[in-house]
Amino acid sequence: KAGVTQTPRYLIKTRGQQVTLSCSPISGHRSVSWYQQTPGQGLQFLFEYFSETQRNKGNFPGRFSGRQFSNSRSEMNVSTLELGDSALYLCASSLLAVDTDTQYFGPGTRLTVL
Amino acid sequence: GENVEQHPSTLSVQEGDSAVIKCTYSDSASNYFPWYKQELGKRPQLIIDIRSNVGEKKDQRIAVTLNKTAKHFSLHITETQPEDSAVYFCAAINNNAGNMLTFGGGTRLMVKP
Repeated sequence: KAGVTQTPRYLIKTRGQQVTLSCSPISGHRSVSWYQQTPGQGLQFLFEYFSETQRNKGNFPGRFSGRQFSNSRSEMNVSTLELGDSALYLCASSLLAVDTDTQYFGPGTRLTVL
Repeated sequence: GENVEQHPSTLSVQEGDSAVIKCTYSDSASNYFPWYKQELGKRPQLIIDIRSNVGEKKDQRIAVTLNKTAKHFSLHITETQPEDSAVYFCAAINNNAGNMLTFGGGTRLMVKP
């Protein structure tokens, strides 16, 4: 099976812009989670989608949003970008849930905000 | 919410020695504790996990122990090899409060040949 893929792999934006990141989970996986990884804050949970519904949400401002499509592919959107949004954004998929099935991570999208 | 602290932040060992990484969590209802390994420039990978109804789990050179009373869990790597060099993250979930992973700050393990 193909692994979790993310596009684009690298992105440079300027403050105030918005960005959309895409994640394709492993075939058959229905749970997709998004994480932000920074040197200062480490790995932080953004949100989780299951069957096109947001099932869980981390402690991030409303500028961070996401969605999941019927084929389980997911997108996350960040509006009004701030310098502090520069990070590696990782998505991960699991069959049904993080605590019942192995969670597989994608390679990440490195976002730089100038 | 859950808070996970991880120690040490860096750990250097000689090849063949053992390495131990410790995590403490705050939510006594947390019931699932995975460990992830992230090599430089690569994605995190699950290496072992433990549930709250188990005290210890082993997989070859890797073991995890859980002390629910003290609210801490540890990763033990025996006979370390250079390819064990990576950043290791612990995490915790209270799946009765949503499947939100809370991660520790990470431990950079360096195994010197």
